[in-house]
Amino acid sequence: GQNIDQPTEMTATEGAIVQINCTYQTSGFNGLFWYQQHAGEAPTFLSYNVLDGLEEKGRFSSFLSRSKGYSYLLLKELQMKDSASYLCAVLDSNYQLIWGAGTKLIIKP
Amino acid sequence: GAVVSQHPSWVICKSGTSVKIECRSLDFQATTMFWYRQFPKQSLMLMATSNEGSKATYEQGVEKDKFLINHASLTLSTLTVTSAHPEDSSFYICSARNLAGGLVQETQYFGPGTRLLVL
Repeated sequence: GQNIDQPTEMTATEGAIVQINCTYQTSGFNGLFWYQQHAGEAPTFLSYNVLDGLEEKGRFSSFLSRSKGYSYLLLKELQMKDSASYLCAVLDSNYQLIWGAGTKLIIKP
Repeated sequence: GAVVSQHPSWVICKSGTSVKIECRSLDFQATTMFWYRQFPKQSLMLMATSNEGSKATYEQGVEKDKFLINHASLTLSTLTVTSAHPEDSSFYICSARNLAGGLVQETQYFGPGTRLLVL
């Protein structure tokens, strides 16, 4: 079967750095997405990785290791507005998007 | 950009009535749109893939006669919840892919969602 694992919930302090991990087992791989979803709102696109390595975009970076079936989203200089759920999703061989359950990130002052 | 709108944002209706939700891609053409449902504190659940000019592809367990999808143009897909019941109350979200541009063709851009409450 296809499986995406990410922690259910994480807590971090304002101004700090947090890393949200995602491991996947899918039938084929055509890229991995990270989305942010604030409570009561729809997801918004953060990043896409298809090659190994780190992609940096401002305070957010996303890393991928295809051989390990592993990705992480790194958030720096955390702000209160970063409190949200972060969804990891993998595009499988059929170009179907397989969604993780999401990681709820709680930022404390 | 890749902006997707949904209308209405909130619906409250009586049990047994039908509700239509519209999803529009505002600044791009979307041959494929997706309909999701999300219950509180749960993950997104793909209901169906809507293809312009053809029948929608429904996920296992989703009743196609209850959730009618029409994708009549390259910028509009509609989801009609027929004979809605309280258990259909949920957050319905559509998304679309911008195959003509964007960072990645497979990126799904989401509408703001529609909250349905069936009394």
